[in-house]
Amino acid sequence: SAVISQKPSRDICQRGTSLTIQCQVDSQVTMMFWYRQQPGQSLTLIATANQGSEATYESGFVIDKFPISRPNLTFSTLTVSNMSPEDSSIYLCSVYRQGGYEQFFGPGTRLTVL
Amino acid sequence: GQNIDQPTEMTATEGAIVQINCTYQTSGFNGLFWYQQHAGEAPTFLSYNVLDGLEEKGRFSSFLSRSKGYSYLLLKELQMKDSASYLCAVRDTTRGKLQFGAGTQVVVTP
Repeated sequence: SAVISQKPSRDICQRGTSLTIQCQVDSQVTMMFWYRQQPGQSLTLIATANQGSEATYESGFVIDKFPISRPNLTFSTLTVSNMSPEDSSIYLCSVYRQGGYEQFFGPGTRLTVL
Repeated sequence: GQNIDQPTEMTATEGAIVQINCTYQTSGFNGLFWYQQHAGEAPTFLSYNVLDGLEEKGRFSSFLSRSKGYSYLLLKELQMKDSASYLCAVRDTTRGKLQFGAGTQVVVTP
């Protein structure tokens, strides 16, 4: 298994500001992903965080709004930029190792934008 | 792309059995996952199927038919703590990412 921590666990932010969410894994992993879960909804993939290169974004998500860093195999950040109330959501980091199959989720960051 | 369908909600009595169906359409397939998610918590892994057939793990079983694009999760001997959302997810072959269905809210009643 993998132990994943996220910081912050929750935050309340003002419209127009930015928040950076950190994801730390207790061991090296090949793949890291960022998901969003809006209230009452299922999980939507934002992007795949690639180590040493730019993240790969899903349709509807862009780098200017959700810049992602992945400086090494155990750490990634997601920034939610120029926030609006529509960005209020839970943001989850997820990982899996090449050669394995199970995908693990972090505890999530609950973001409220006023 | 992928299209994943599952029922919105199911209600069952404690001690009973519930079967949650999931159908999918995908351009590439590298496994189907079931997750359980309690309100306010992160999803937790329940099962994984990549070959056709039934995988049993305690009270939970999962079935896959790749030719039909169909899976189900079977929950036996339901307990009150099984009340949760159950998410069907498909991993594609391109980059290993998981795409999720909308989730099925299971309500267990006494």
